[in-house]
Amino acid sequence: SSELTQDPAVSVALGQTVRITCQGDSLRSYYPSWYQQKPGQAPVLVFYGKNFRPSGIPDRFSGSSSGNAAFLTITGAQAEDEADFYCHSRDSSGSHHVFGTGTKVTVL
Amino acid sequence: QVQLVQSGAEVKKPGASVKVSCKASGYTFSNHEINWVRQAPGQGLEWVGWMNPNTGNVAYAEKFQGRVTMTRQTSINTAYMELSRLQSDDTAVYFCAREDGSGWYYFHYWGQGTLVTVSS
Repeated sequence: SSELTQDPAVSVALGQTVRITCQGDSLRSYYPSWYQQKPGQAPVLVFYGKNFRPSGIPDRFSGSSSGNAAFLTITGAQAEDEADFYCHSRDSSGSHHVFGTGTKVTVL
Repeated sequence: QVQLVQSGAEVKKPGASVKVSCKASGYTFSNHEINWVRQAPGQGLEWVGWMNPNTGNVAYAEKFQGRVTMTRQTSINTAYMELSRLQSDDTAVYFCAREDGSGWYYFHYWGQGTLVTVSS
């Protein structure tokens, strides 16, 4: 399968922790990358690989993987974290890419 | 600094073609694949394909096979994506993105996006 499935929406209280899940067969072979996208903007890389966070991304963003699932955790969510989040990986064949279905995060 | 600058918005009629450009700067153009990703209004990200600027090799998502062509002009560090036989559901913002990584893959740098509107 070349699909990556995410929960459509999650909400989190300000300052609390939220975990976004991404599921797909390709995650057994490839580490995912994660993107935050705010309305009208290009996606921004927030986490990738086994344990990498791009420069400038707050350390409240972290990632992990287990089997066919990957997780992006926001520890101590801030109002500015409200956005759509997408996971991504190579597909199972390794020659194409695939994005997750996206999760809308609302900070209450 | 790395930059990807895309061409401006386009309005096309059904059945027409559109060609979007992505000009790279701040790095060696031939060293990184350029991917194209689109986003229809209110929808998620959809991978369209990639091109290796060094070899010209390409790979396209199955749903775009036969309709998309990705090329480059290395002398001006520019990648192109042409989509033919446009239909209304091709209306979307098209992004180019530089592929990084080995062993794991990610898109650190993105163009600003090009809105393609297909309307009669």
